[in-house]
Amino acid sequence: QVQLVESGGGVVQPGRSLRLSCAASGFTFSSYGMHWVRQAPGKGLEWVAVASHDGSDKYYADSVKGRFTISRDHSKNTLSLQMSSLRPEDTAVYYCAKGYSSSWLGYFDLWGRGTLVTVSS
Amino acid sequence: DIVMTQSPDSLAVSLGERATINCKSSQSVLYNSDNKNYLSWYQQKPGQPPKLLLYWASTRESGVPDRFSGSGSGTDFTLTISSLQAEDVAVYYCQQYYSTPGTFGQGTKVEIK
Repeated sequence: QVQLVESGGGVVQPGRSLRLSCAASGFTFSSYGMHWVRQAPGKGLEWVAVASHDGSDKYYADSVKGRFTISRDHSKNTLSLQMSSLRPEDTAVYYCAKGYSSSWLGYFDLWGRGTLVTVSS
Repeated sequence: DIVMTQSPDSLAVSLGERATINCKSSQSVLYNSDNKNYLSWYQQKPGQPPKLLLYWASTRESGVPDRFSGSGSGTDFTLTISSLQAEDVAVYYCQQYYSTPGTFGQGTKVEIK
């Protein structure tokens, strides 16, 4: 079954860290660029980060650059997002999304159901 | 960054009528080397993740009903729902993937009149 399943969300205090994971199945994980996209409560979609198929190219939104790190583990078919120095404005549902190609650019043809991150004291 | 602007922010359409959503990019998303527009459309229903509807501005994703169509080139694009059905109530987003970051429009909410 082709799917993405996110985990790791929760409530965290400002300034703390959190690690999100996305388990991929049903497709050749190592062949596609993988992305994180977030959606603040009641708001629109914001692209967060991407790792190309082999992890050699990584890009970040300016809003998270220097605080978030994307990585992928091909032995476990897992995409991760390490988030540090979290801010209240990072509160959102975080979606894992599969790119249509191997590169860092592309549209998203498969989405997970998302995991909610709430940054609050 | 390329800014994507959708219009209107919301619209109410009667069942069976046409719904039209516009998307404008701050710079062209037409890649001259392959003559493709790097523009996609997504549908998001309440409580669900987004779903890909169209890519390359006008190519329907597998399984998407043919009442959904896309048009436009360069900086101006349109998503048309030819005959609105109850299940089409959702928020629709355009997204450019011409350059990183892959920016989204702010979304257009479609409701039944």
